[in-house]
Amino acid sequence: ELKVEQNPLFLSMQEGKNYTIYCNYSTTSDRLYWYRQDPGKSLESLFVLLSNGAVKQEGRLMASLDTKARLSTLHITAAVHDLSATYFCAVDANYGGSQGNLIFGKGTKLSVKP
Amino acid sequence: NAGVMQNPRHLVRRRGQEARLRCSPMKGHSHVYWYRQLPEEGLKFMVYLQKENIIDESGMPKERFSAEFPKEGPSILRIQQVVRGDSAAYFCASSSNRALGLTGELFFGEGSRLTVL
Repeated sequence: ELKVEQNPLFLSMQEGKNYTIYCNYSTTSDRLYWYRQDPGKSLESLFVLLSNGAVKQEGRLMASLDTKARLSTLHITAAVHDLSATYFCAVDANYGGSQGNLIFGKGTKLSVKP
Repeated sequence: NAGVMQNPRHLVRRRGQEARLRCSPMKGHSHVYWYRQLPEEGLKFMVYLQKENIIDESGMPKERFSAEFPKEGPSILRIQQVVRGDSAAYFCASSSNRALGLTGELFFGEGSRLTVL
């Protein structure tokens, strides 16, 4: 059974600091996703990582994927208050072709303080 | 291009009543998914549908829950005889053949929050 673990689950940061969120998964998968969720809102797609060594950056966020280690990281650079949200990683349960069955981690609740 | 539309956004039911949640996928999307989110948890897959067909219902509880995606109209997630444990946010997502084939990316609606009293 595929399991996805994120850590930390809670993260309180000061503005301007850097930090990394980790996402480990238990079995082979070739698609990993990062989503952002604001309270009471939908999930916003941030990154889709499809291959070993993939690295994607958008603004202050950078995501990477190591399929051999079954690890993805979401790195936050010089955090600002607007980044406060819950961040989820999700892994596709179907290796070799997506069927939309994603296994989600429990999420990392990020709070950026002045 | 409107996103995934869900309604109602909030629904309150008493134990034993029925809840019906509706989802209209993005234009051009024929793949619909329902996920459930319990408080402080990640989303859990429930069911995957295409028009008039259930493709994968491996995440659906065996009793009281059903889903459909008719030829015309929105997808419906139906929960009969609700219990307190059904209180959750139910998210619908959609995708297109192209998006699924290329990246597997799903596009989520804003969710329907069910509260069972």
